[in-house]
Amino acid sequence: ETGVTQSPTHLIKTRGQQVTLRCSSQSGHNTVSWYQQALGQGPQFIFQYYREEENGRGNFPPRFSGLQFPNYSSELNVNALELDDSALYLCASSLGGSGTDTQYFGPGTRLTVL
Amino acid sequence: RKEVEQDPGPFNVPEGATVAFNCTYSNSASQSFFWYRQDCRKEPKLLMSVYSSGNEDGRFTAQLNRASQYISLLIRDSKLSDSATYLCVVRRGYALNFGKGTSLLVTP
Repeated sequence: ETGVTQSPTHLIKTRGQQVTLRCSSQSGHNTVSWYQQALGQGPQFIFQYYREEENGRGNFPPRFSGLQFPNYSSELNVNALELDDSALYLCASSLGGSGTDTQYFGPGTRLTVL
Repeated sequence: RKEVEQDPGPFNVPEGATVAFNCTYSNSASQSFFWYRQDCRKEPKLLMSVYSSGNEDGRFTAQLNRASQYISLLIRDSKLSDSATYLCVVRRGYALNFGKGTSLLVTP
Protein backbone atom coordinates (compact mmCIF):
# COMPACT_ATOMS: atom_id res chain seq x y z
CA GLU A 1 0.00 0.00 0.00
CA THR A 2 1.17 3.52 -0.81
CA GLY A 3 -0.19 5.19 2.32
CA VAL A 4 -2.21 7.61 0.20
CA THR A 5 -5.88 7.63 1.16
CA GLN A 6 -8.90 9.16 -0.54
CA SER A 7 -12.48 9.74 0.52
CA PRO A 8 -15.16 8.98 -0.28
CA THR A 9 -14.62 5.81 -2.34
CA HIS A 10 -17.81 6.29 -4.34
CA LEU A 11 -20.11 9.24 -4.89
CA ILE A 12 -23.26 9.87 -6.91
CA LYS A 13 -24.27 13.44 -7.77
CA THR A 14 -26.66 15.10 -10.18
CA ARG A 15 -25.83 17.57 -12.91
CA GLY A 16 -25.26 21.11 -11.61
CA GLN A 17 -24.29 20.05 -8.09
CA GLN A 18 -20.93 20.64 -6.45
CA VAL A 19 -18.58 17.99 -5.03
CA THR A 20 -15.52 17.90 -2.77
CA LEU A 21 -13.07 15.01 -2.85
CA ARG A 22 -10.35 14.51 -0.24
CA CYS A 23 -6.85 13.10 -0.27
CA SER A 24 -4.34 12.40 2.50
CA SER A 25 -0.78 12.17 1.26
CA GLN A 26 1.82 9.65 2.28
CA SER A 27 3.69 10.56 5.45
CA GLY A 28 6.50 13.00 4.68
CA HIS A 29 5.18 13.93 1.23
CA ASN A 30 4.46 17.61 0.60
CA THR A 31 3.14 17.46 -2.96
CA VAL A 32 -0.26 16.27 -4.16
CA SER A 33 -1.35 15.88 -7.78
CA TRP A 34 -4.90 15.20 -8.96
CA TYR A 35 -5.88 13.21 -12.04
CA GLN A 36 -9.18 12.39 -13.76
CA GLN A 37 -9.56 8.97 -15.39
CA ALA A 38 -12.62 8.52 -17.60
CA LEU A 39 -13.68 5.00 -18.51
CA GLY A 40 -11.33 3.43 -21.05
CA GLN A 41 -8.87 6.33 -20.88
CA GLY A 42 -5.59 6.98 -19.13
CA PRO A 43 -5.50 9.44 -16.22
CA GLN A 44 -5.47 13.13 -17.19
CA PHE A 45 -3.53 15.67 -15.07
CA ILE A 46 -5.78 18.24 -13.38
CA PHE A 47 -3.35 20.15 -11.14
CA GLN A 48 -0.61 19.84 -8.55
CA TYR A 49 -0.20 21.45 -5.14
CA TYR A 50 3.14 21.97 -3.44
CA ARG A 51 3.31 23.46 0.07
CA GLU A 52 -0.24 24.82 -0.23
CA GLU A 53 0.31 26.54 -3.60
CA GLU A 54 -0.91 25.43 -7.04
CA ASN A 55 2.23 24.32 -8.84
CA GLY A 56 0.90 23.49 -12.28
CA ARG A 57 -2.42 22.92 -14.01
CA GLY A 58 -3.65 20.79 -16.87
CA ASN A 59 -6.34 21.57 -19.43
CA PHE A 60 -9.31 21.69 -17.06
CA PRO A 61 -11.82 24.56 -16.66
CA PRO A 62 -11.82 26.84 -13.59
CA ARG A 63 -14.79 24.99 -12.08
CA PHE A 64 -12.15 22.43 -11.07
CA SER A 65 -10.36 23.94 -8.09
CA GLY A 66 -8.25 22.67 -5.25
CA LEU A 67 -6.73 23.33 -1.91
CA GLN A 68 -3.84 21.97 0.09
CA PHE A 69 -3.72 22.21 3.87
CA PRO A 70 -0.72 22.73 6.21
CA ASN A 71 -0.64 18.96 6.87
CA TYR A 72 -0.34 18.51 3.06
CA SER A 73 -3.71 16.82 2.68
CA SER A 74 -5.70 18.15 -0.25
CA GLU A 75 -9.19 18.71 -1.63
CA LEU A 76 -10.49 18.74 -5.18
CA ASN A 77 -13.66 20.77 -5.70
CA VAL A 78 -15.78 20.56 -8.82
CA ASN A 79 -18.62 23.04 -9.33
CA ALA A 80 -21.56 22.85 -11.74
CA LEU A 81 -21.10 19.14 -12.37
CA GLU A 82 -21.56 17.87 -15.92
CA LEU A 83 -22.29 14.32 -17.08
CA ASP A 84 -18.75 14.10 -18.54
CA ASP A 85 -17.29 14.65 -15.07
CA SER A 86 -18.20 11.03 -14.28
CA ALA A 87 -14.80 9.40 -13.76
CA LEU A 88 -12.31 7.95 -11.31
CA TYR A 89 -10.50 10.79 -9.53
CA LEU A 90 -7.01 9.88 -8.42
CA CYS A 91 -4.65 11.77 -6.19
CA ALA A 92 -0.94 11.08 -6.06
CA SER A 93 1.55 12.23 -3.47
CA SER A 94 5.25 12.82 -3.88
CA LEU A 95 8.13 14.40 -2.03
CA GLY A 96 9.30 17.76 -3.31
CA GLY A 97 7.75 20.15 -5.81
CA SER A 98 10.26 19.75 -8.62
CA GLY A 99 8.20 17.14 -10.42
CA THR A 100 11.06 14.67 -10.51
CA ASP A 101 9.91 12.45 -7.68
CA THR A 102 7.89 9.26 -7.97
CA GLN A 103 4.16 9.84 -7.58
CA TYR A 104 2.27 7.31 -5.47
CA PHE A 105 -1.43 7.00 -6.21
CA GLY A 106 -4.32 6.60 -3.83
CA PRO A 107 -7.20 4.19 -4.54
CA GLY A 108 -9.34 6.90 -6.12
CA THR A 109 -12.87 8.25 -5.76
CA ARG A 110 -15.39 7.03 -8.32
CA LEU A 111 -17.78 9.88 -9.16
CA THR A 112 -20.99 9.28 -11.06
CA VAL A 113 -22.94 12.30 -12.32
CA LEU A 114 -26.57 11.63 -13.27
CA ARG B 1 -2.62 14.26 -31.57
CA LYS B 2 -2.39 12.65 -28.13
CA GLU B 3 0.89 13.24 -26.28
CA VAL B 4 1.29 9.52 -25.54
CA GLU B 5 -0.03 6.85 -27.92
CA GLN B 6 -0.18 3.13 -27.31
CA ASP B 7 -1.98 0.18 -28.86
CA PRO B 8 -5.03 -0.49 -26.64
CA GLY B 9 -5.01 -4.22 -27.39
CA PRO B 10 -6.34 -6.41 -25.90
CA PHE B 11 -3.41 -8.77 -26.01
CA ASN B 12 -4.48 -12.33 -25.19
CA VAL B 13 -1.49 -14.60 -24.59
CA PRO B 14 -0.98 -18.04 -23.03
CA GLU B 15 1.01 -18.49 -19.84
CA GLY B 16 4.71 -18.58 -20.53
CA ALA B 17 4.52 -16.41 -23.65
CA THR B 18 6.61 -13.34 -24.31
CA VAL B 19 4.68 -10.16 -25.07
CA ALA B 20 5.85 -6.70 -26.13
CA PHE B 21 4.09 -3.37 -25.76
CA ASN B 22 5.03 -0.24 -27.65
CA CYS B 23 4.37 3.40 -27.04
CA THR B 24 5.23 6.68 -28.80
CA TYR B 25 5.29 10.18 -27.39
CA SER B 26 5.03 13.44 -29.28
CA ASN B 27 6.87 16.03 -27.15
CA SER B 28 10.66 15.88 -27.42
CA ALA B 29 10.91 17.97 -24.21
CA SER B 30 9.60 15.03 -22.19
CA GLN B 31 11.88 14.34 -19.27
CA SER B 32 11.10 11.00 -17.64
CA PHE B 33 9.47 7.81 -18.77
CA PHE B 34 7.65 5.05 -16.95
CA TRP B 35 5.45 2.01 -17.24
CA TYR B 36 2.60 1.79 -14.74
CA ARG B 37 0.33 -1.19 -14.18
CA GLN B 38 -3.37 -0.79 -13.43
CA ASP B 39 -5.59 -3.63 -12.29
CA CYS B 40 -9.33 -3.43 -12.95
CA ARG B 41 -10.92 -0.56 -11.00
CA LYS B 42 -7.72 0.03 -8.99
CA GLU B 43 -5.15 2.80 -8.91
CA PRO B 44 -2.10 2.81 -11.23
CA LYS B 45 1.08 1.42 -9.67
CA LEU B 46 4.61 2.11 -10.85
CA LEU B 47 6.02 -0.93 -12.63
CA MET B 48 9.34 0.54 -13.67
CA SER B 49 11.12 3.63 -14.87
CA VAL B 50 12.54 3.56 -18.39
CA TYR B 51 16.05 4.65 -19.35
CA SER B 52 17.84 5.06 -22.67
CA SER B 53 20.34 2.40 -21.68
CA GLY B 54 17.50 -0.06 -21.18
CA ASN B 55 16.64 -1.60 -17.86
CA GLU B 56 15.46 -4.92 -16.59
CA ASP B 57 13.50 -5.99 -13.52
CA GLY B 58 13.10 -9.74 -13.38
CA ARG B 59 10.90 -10.79 -16.30
CA PHE B 60 10.31 -7.18 -17.38
CA THR B 61 12.56 -5.21 -19.74
CA ALA B 62 11.97 -1.59 -20.70
CA GLN B 63 13.66 0.42 -23.41
CA LEU B 64 13.62 4.07 -24.45
CA ASN B 65 14.63 5.45 -27.85
CA ARG B 66 14.74 9.25 -27.53
CA ALA B 67 15.56 9.79 -31.21
CA SER B 68 12.42 7.91 -32.30
CA GLN B 69 10.41 9.00 -29.24
CA TYR B 70 9.53 5.38 -28.67
CA ILE B 71 9.20 3.34 -25.46
CA SER B 72 8.81 -0.42 -25.15
CA LEU B 73 8.05 -3.00 -22.48
CA LEU B 74 8.83 -6.70 -22.85
CA ILE B 75 7.34 -9.28 -20.51
CA ARG B 76 8.91 -12.73 -20.61
CA ASP B 77 7.40 -15.96 -19.26
CA SER B 78 3.96 -14.38 -18.74
CA LYS B 79 2.07 -15.30 -15.57
CA LEU B 80 -1.67 -15.25 -14.97
CA SER B 81 -1.01 -12.47 -12.44
CA ASP B 82 0.41 -10.26 -15.21
CA SER B 83 -3.14 -9.73 -16.53
CA ALA B 84 -3.75 -5.99 -16.20
CA THR B 85 -3.66 -2.74 -18.17
CA TYR B 86 -0.18 -1.36 -18.81
CA LEU B 87 0.07 2.41 -18.99
CA CYS B 88 2.88 4.18 -20.80
CA VAL B 89 3.68 7.39 -18.93
CA VAL B 90 5.77 10.41 -19.86
CA ARG B 91 6.63 13.26 -17.49
CA ARG B 92 6.97 16.79 -18.76
CA GLY B 93 7.21 19.42 -16.05
CA TYR B 94 4.98 18.63 -13.12
CA ALA B 95 2.49 16.44 -14.93
CA LEU B 96 2.50 12.76 -15.74
CA ASN B 97 1.00 12.20 -19.20
CA PHE B 98 -0.58 8.79 -19.57
CA GLY B 99 -1.41 6.76 -22.64
CA LYS B 100 -4.81 5.05 -22.79
CA GLY B 101 -3.24 1.79 -21.69
CA THR B 102 -2.75 -1.63 -23.26
CA SER B 103 -4.86 -4.45 -21.91
CA LEU B 104 -3.14 -7.80 -21.32
CA LEU B 105 -4.95 -11.05 -20.57
CA VAL B 106 -2.79 -14.09 -19.80
CA THR B 107 -4.70 -17.34 -20.12
CA PRO B 108 -3.94 -20.81 -18.70
